[in-house]
Amino acid sequence: DAGVIQSPRHEVTEMGQEVTLRCKPISGHDYLFWYRQTMMRGLELLIYFNNNVPIDDSGMPEDRFSAKMPNASFSTLKIQPSEPRDSAVYFCASSPFPGLWYFGPGTRLTVT
Amino acid sequence: KQEVTQIPAALSVPEGENLVLNCSFTDSAIYNLQWFRQDPGKGLTSLLLIQSSQREQTSGRLNASLDKSSGRSTLYIAASQPGDSATYLCAVRPWGGSQGNLIFGKGTKLSVKP
Repeated sequence: DAGVIQSPRHEVTEMGQEVTLRCKPISGHDYLFWYRQTMMRGLELLIYFNNNVPIDDSGMPEDRFSAKMPNASFSTLKIQPSEPRDSAVYFCASSPFPGLWYFGPGTRLTVT
Repeated sequence: KQEVTQIPAALSVPEGENLVLNCSFTDSAIYNLQWFRQDPGKGLTSLLLIQSSQREQTSGRLNASLDKSSGRSTLYIAASQPGDSATYLCAVRPWGGSQGNLIFGKGTKLSVKP
């Protein structure tokens, strides 16, 4: 298996633009997580899905952020409109059962 | 509110040295504690998972301990190698928290010099 796949790996955009981050989890994993990592706040959970259903989105910063999982093999995290403070590394992780996480390589987002 | 602290933020040691990384958490009501390794430009790799009922876990040259009552965990690395250079993160899953709600420390950046 190729592991968790994220795209793009790097994204540079201007303030106000829409940004879409993509994730393909490991096949057979029922859980999918989106995390954000910044120097100031470290790693924070944004949202997670179980069997394609959003379970906990309490970490989503505000309405500008939305996440979807239309099927078991694909998820998106969208920011609209983007702001400079959204600059961070966004990680997707999948899990076959509670307690074991497999992280993707991350998407480094820069909003100018 | 659960907070996880890792000290030191950075550590540099010569190759071959044994070392200890520290992690502390403010609320002892945890489901488990996990140590991760993060390499530059890459995601996190799980190293060791300790359930709340366990005291330690071992994998190769790595040994992690957990003392819930004092809110501490240590990661012991024996005979360090340059390939061990990375950032090590500690994360707790609070008891009663949702499955994905890991609370991470900010990590210790380890550099092992040849």
